[in-house]
Amino acid sequence: AQTVTQSQPEMSVQEAETVTLSCTYDTSESDYYLFWYKQPPSRQMILVIRQEAYKQQNATENRFSVNFQKAAKSFSLKISDSQLGDAAMYFCAYRTYTGTASKLTFGTGTRLQVTL
Amino acid sequence: GAVVSQHPSRVICKSGTSVKIECRSLDFQATTMFWYRQFPKQSLMLMATSNEGSKATYEQGVEKDKFLINHASLTLSTLTVTSAHPEDSSFYICSARTGLGLAGLFLRDEQFFGPGTRLTVL
Repeated sequence: AQTVTQSQPEMSVQEAETVTLSCTYDTSESDYYLFWYKQPPSRQMILVIRQEAYKQQNATENRFSVNFQKAAKSFSLKISDSQLGDAAMYFCAYRTYTGTASKLTFGTGTRLQVTL
Repeated sequence: GAVVSQHPSRVICKSGTSVKIECRSLDFQATTMFWYRQFPKQSLMLMATSNEGSKATYEQGVEKDKFLINHASLTLSTLTVTSAHPEDSSFYICSARTGLGLAGLFLRDEQFFGPGTRLTVL
């Protein structure tokens, strides 16, 4: 079974600074997706970034980028120029590629605080 | 991105009653919908996966007779908590996945989440 591990329950960053959230996963599959989701206090899950495992290039979305190390099964999220609105729970998630049976496996989450 | 709505956003009910939660994909057709449960300060726990027109697939440990899921159309899935008890109080989140596009090509195959429903059973 696939597992996703987030070893940082809480992180803190100053506004305008950079922070990296860690995620490791375990799978025997070669093709899969990896995601970072944000859950602000409203509890609406928002997709931050997505990475296909076959792509060697790290995904980026504006201030958000990932460091995807497939051999090490590591998928960290870097938030640059942190803003107060980035404060939220961040969940790393894994999903196999194929079929309607594929489902997301979430990590336990990292709570990010952004301070002035 | 695509929008998934959930109704109601908050419900309080008495122990023993049944509660229905609706999940709708507003601007796309979702062949697959998911129901999650989230306890405070915890991650999302998948309860079941439903495909339009077929029976839902429940995760291990989830009582199918207690949590009835119906996926009657490509835009609507419902979760009914039957004979609710205080231990069923939780935050329930639905999610819908975009499916195949024309000629069998995958669209973005992305999963969108509803805003959640807070259930409180007294």
